[in-house]
Amino acid sequence: SQKIEQNSEALNIQEGKTATLTCNYTNYSPAYLQWYRQDPGRGPVFLLLIRENEKEKRKERLKVTFDTTLKQSLFHITASQPADSATYLCALGDNFNTFYFGSGTKLNVKP
Amino acid sequence: ETGVTQSPTHLIKTRGQQVTLRCSSQSGHNTVSWYQQALGQGPQFIFQYYREEENGRGNFPPRFSGLQFPNYSSELNVNALELDDSALYLCASSDRDRYNSPLHFGNGTRLTVT
Repeated sequence: SQKIEQNSEALNIQEGKTATLTCNYTNYSPAYLQWYRQDPGRGPVFLLLIRENEKEKRKERLKVTFDTTLKQSLFHITASQPADSATYLCALGDNFNTFYFGSGTKLNVKP
Repeated sequence: ETGVTQSPTHLIKTRGQQVTLRCSSQSGHNTVSWYQQALGQGPQFIFQYYREEENGRGNFPPRFSGLQFPNYSSELNVNALELDDSALYLCASSDRDRYNSPLHFGNGTRLTVT
C-alpha cells in the first residue's frame, strides 16, 4: 500500500524566514498532490494543488514543487509569520477524488 | 455557500456500543469522504460516497459502514466500538465531477470510547 512520509518533528523558524516542508511517498503514482493546513481542533483547509505533469505552483507566499522521479513534494512558505503556525498535511490524490494523507508536520513561527 | 457541518462535535461511548456520526456536505458537492484522525496522526481514509454509492474504501473493517442520502448528506456508523476507535472523525465533501476538486472538511466529531 502507499506510504506517505512527512517530517514528524516540528519545524521551528524565525518570523520572516522561509519554511520548507517535505513530503515523500512510495508505492503510489498520484494523479496530483495537495497541501492542507490544519489548526488544533479544526478540520484541514485546502491550500494548493499540483498535478503530476507540473513542476511548480505558486500562490501568494506559498510555493509547491512536485518531483515524480524522486517521489517528493516540497512546500515553501516565504516571509513566514506567526499566523502561519499550524500543522501542514500533504495528500496524494487519484482520479476518483480519493486522497491519502501524510501524518503532517507542525510548523512553529516565532516572532 | 454553506460549509461542511458535522454532528455531534463530541461523543463518549462505551466499548461494544454503536455510534452514528452525521455530515452535511457543502452545497453543490456530490461526494463525501470520511476520515479517522488519531492524535498526532494524519487523516486515514475510511471510505467515500459518490451519488449515494460507496466508491472506494480504505483499510477499515466492515463494522465501519456508511450512507449517503439524496441531498448528499452522509452518515458514518461504527458497530461494536473498540477503545482504538477513539479519534477525531472528519467528513469532507467535494465535487467529483470537477477534476481535481479539493476536499472541504468539517471540524470533525471527537469520539471517545471508554
